Amino acid sequence: DTGVSQDPRHKITKRGQNVTFRCDPISEHNRLYWYRQTLGQGPEFLTYFQNEAQLEKSRLLSDRFSAERPKGSFSTLEIQRTEQGDSAMYLCASSLAHGNSPLHFGNGTRLTVT
Amino acid sequence: GENVEQHPSTLSVQEGDSAVIKCTYSDSASNYFPWYKQELGKGPQLIIDIRSNVGEKKDQRIAVTLNKTAKHFSLHITETQPEDSAVYFCAARSGGGADGLTFGKGTHLIIQP
Repeated sequence: DTGVSQDPRHKITKRGQNVTFRCDPISEHNRLYWYRQTLGQGPEFLTYFQNEAQLEKSRLLSDRFSAERPKGSFSTLEIQRTEQGDSAMYLCASSLAHGNSPLHFGNGTRLTVT
Repeated sequence: GENVEQHPSTLSVQEGDSAVIKCTYSDSASNYFPWYKQELGKGPQLIIDIRSNVGEKKDQRIAVTLNKTAKHFSLHITETQPEDSAVYFCAARSGGGADGLTFGKGTHLIIQP
């Protein structure tokens, strides 16, 4: 069990650019979640997948955000036309699909939009 | 949707003393309540969780209590050690079909040597 892996750890981009983050979940976990965390706040739910199906999206997930999990394994989160307000830590978590299985988080990708 | 309030925002205790962090939730359908510890530069790490059919759960120095009637749950850490210093988050999962956890705003726990 290598844990949830996220890449890159840090990303600095200029306003208006597109960015893409990758998450590799724990191998036997079929649920994958994306959260956003700003300084001094708790993580905020963005979206989640069960296998390749995106089952839930938060109202926080604007049209500029898109997430995919094409083969039910790794996932990508893309932000188009980044804005300064997108600066945050983007966290990925995974879990098994049964009952209230605990979520295991990665160490996140810290995005800074200048 | 679910709303989770967490208090205090900062807690300073002497090493060896106990620490208590409290959370309230709004959705009576919520049925799962995990606690996470987050150290600087890292993601949240699950330390203990409790389901709605249980009132208390203990794991060594850490315990969680749940009062469903009052819709509040608490984290208790006994015999605190310097390595307990971190930010702690409570969370709740609604039983209404939404699967994402709703987190509190966190408590910065400082263990004074």
